Amino acid sequence: GAVVSQHPSWVICKSGTSVKIECRSLDFQATTMFWYRQFPKQSLMLMATSNEGSKATYEQGVEKDKFLINHASLTLSTLTVTSAHPEDSSFYICSARRGSVGGGLGLSEQYFGPGTRLTVT
Amino acid sequence: DAKTTQPPSMDCAEGRAANLPCNHSTISGNEYVYWYRQIHSQGPQYIIHGLKNNETNEMASLIITEDRKSSTLILPHATLRDTAVYYCIVRGLTGTASKLTFGTGTRLQVTL
Repeated sequence: GAVVSQHPSWVICKSGTSVKIECRSLDFQATTMFWYRQFPKQSLMLMATSNEGSKATYEQGVEKDKFLINHASLTLSTLTVTSAHPEDSSFYICSARRGSVGGGLGLSEQYFGPGTRLTVT
Repeated sequence: DAKTTQPPSMDCAEGRAANLPCNHSTISGNEYVYWYRQIHSQGPQYIIHGLKNNETNEMASLIITEDRKSSTLILPHATLRDTAVYYCIVRGLTGTASKLTFGTGTRLQVTL
């Protein structure tokens, strides 16, 4: 299957600083990338959707000025958590979708990265 | 909102088949049923998907009822490494419906 990587796999930062997380599709071009957040013992929550070269679309309740998403190329998306606070500590997971299988109305398969654990102290 | 209902947890003995049910009574005609699993502290892993026919791959089988209101994921010979949270997701083809929205899933515990 297709491979999606994230860097770093874990990060600890101080309150008030910013943290950047990278998501790369290693062997395919991702037309769309997604960012999820997962708190302990909870399910994944979609934060935002980004298409290459355009602004991200954020889910309701997600602050776009706090969670900056850049999707500058078909293989790279970044999530920057600005002015991080302890309540931002979470598991951040990206997902990449490649072009439609068979074109037309074919489904686009979606693959997930291994996640980045952010701890804000 | 997740459009599926799954039992919160299940146990299965190693070597036996694990049958994980999912209800999706409001599924639309052009929506697919997807299954992903998440092993602790990892990203979700794709397992299988289907529209209306039963599907099988090297990991699992997916049985979808004729009315498409429910489905069952079958792991034919569960191993300890199959212990994970399994998510059943209904997904459309385009727009908002094509996003993968995760519910609470089923926590499968495979035991010796």
